[in-house]
Amino acid sequence: DAGVIQSPRHEVTEMGQEVTLRCKPISGHNSLFWYRQTMMRGLELLIYFNNNVPIDDSGMPEDRFSAKMPNASFSTLKIQPSEPRDSAVYFCASAKGVGYGYTFGSGTRLTVV
Amino acid sequence: KNEVEQSPQNLTAQEGEFITINCSYSVGISALHWLQQHPGGGIVSLFMLSSGKKKHGRLIATINIQEKHSSLHITASHPRDSAVYICAVSGQTSGSRLTFGEGTQLTVNP
Repeated sequence: DAGVIQSPRHEVTEMGQEVTLRCKPISGHNSLFWYRQTMMRGLELLIYFNNNVPIDDSGMPEDRFSAKMPNASFSTLKIQPSEPRDSAVYFCASAKGVGYGYTFGSGTRLTVV
Repeated sequence: KNEVEQSPQNLTAQEGEFITINCSYSVGISALHWLQQHPGGGIVSLFMLSSGKKKHGRLIATINIQEKHSSLHITASHPRDSAVYICAVSGQTSGSRLTFGEGTQLTVNP
């Protein structure tokens, strides 16, 4: 298994542009999580899905952020419009479900200038 | 007060030393996770435990549910163990979502 695959690995964009981050979870994993990591706030949950359904999106900072999971093998996190304060590393992780361990993707380092 | 607190925040050791990182939490949990993050940023899940002790190579994780405390031990530490170690919990009422500690930066010198 190739693990959790995220793309792109690095993204540099100008303020105001739309950014789309992508994640392919491990096949058979029913839970998918988007986390953001910054120096100031550490790791924080943005949203998680169970069986493709968003369960908890209370961590999504504002309406500029949206996430979708159209099927069990793909999820996107979109920021529109992007702002410099969105610069962070965004991690996707998947798990078989409650009570199972996590597998993290390699992360997408986003820089908004 | 954070729900998950780790100590120490920074730890420097000499190669070969026995290392302990501590984690305390204040909520009911379904499981506790120890994660490792190397420079370069990738996160690896080391352990998930809900009771007792687990061992993998030179790493040992223990948890005391009554005291709401967990420890991560590294025996015969090596410079390649240098990383940030993060404690995280999944709550009894929060489903699978993780709440993270702030991490412990470990540096092992040769």
